Amino acid sequence: ILNVEQSPQSLHVQEGDSTNFTCSFPSSNFYALHWYRWETAKSPEALFVMTLNGDEKKKGRISATLNTKEGYSYLYIKGSQPEDSATYLCAFSSQGGSEKLVFGKGTKLTVNP
Amino acid sequence: GAVVSQHPSRVICKSGTSVKIECRSLDFQATTMFWYRQFPKQSLMLMATSNEGSKATYEQGVEKDKFLINHASLTLSTLTVTSAHPEDSSFYICSASGQGAFYEQYFGPGTRLTVT
Repeated sequence: ILNVEQSPQSLHVQEGDSTNFTCSFPSSNFYALHWYRWETAKSPEALFVMTLNGDEKKKGRISATLNTKEGYSYLYIKGSQPEDSATYLCAFSSQGGSEKLVFGKGTKLTVNP
Repeated sequence: GAVVSQHPSRVICKSGTSVKIECRSLDFQATTMFWYRQFPKQSLMLMATSNEGSKATYEQGVEKDKFLINHASLTLSTLTVTSAHPEDSSFYICSASGQGAFYEQYFGPGTRLTVT
């Protein structure tokens, strides 16, 4: 059974703080790792898809790294803003798993003004 | 681009009735659509995968006769919860893929189903 773990489960930071959270996934048969941002009452929004060991992706103040050998990815947010408040989901897909994504439970981020 | 809509956003129904949820890709053709369910404090769990014009593939433990999926066109998939019971109360969310090179999925906003 494929298992994707995210930590912490929730996080409260002050506006301006930088923060990061972790996604752990199986290191064998890796195909791709996806990060989504999910704001309440909206659709999950795709942030990044990463496929190669050592990949780093950046979108504004948000960046992500990937280590496929040890099975983890970090998501970083620099200078958090209240509008960054959301649940951040990661999802893993495996070789031979076709298009199926296995999701973690998410990290709920609250940025206090 | 890559917008997916889902209707209704909330539905309350009586036990024993059936409920249909629609998922539409608005600006792209979705070769594959997915249906997930999420219980409180749990992760999104894949229920089934559907390809346009063919039967859906259900995940282990998901009853295909209870959760009917139709993917009649490249922009529309429907999930019908038949003879709903209170234990079917959950958050149902669809996604669609067809554009990305790495099976990127684009999600609808979800449907909160409450069965009384």
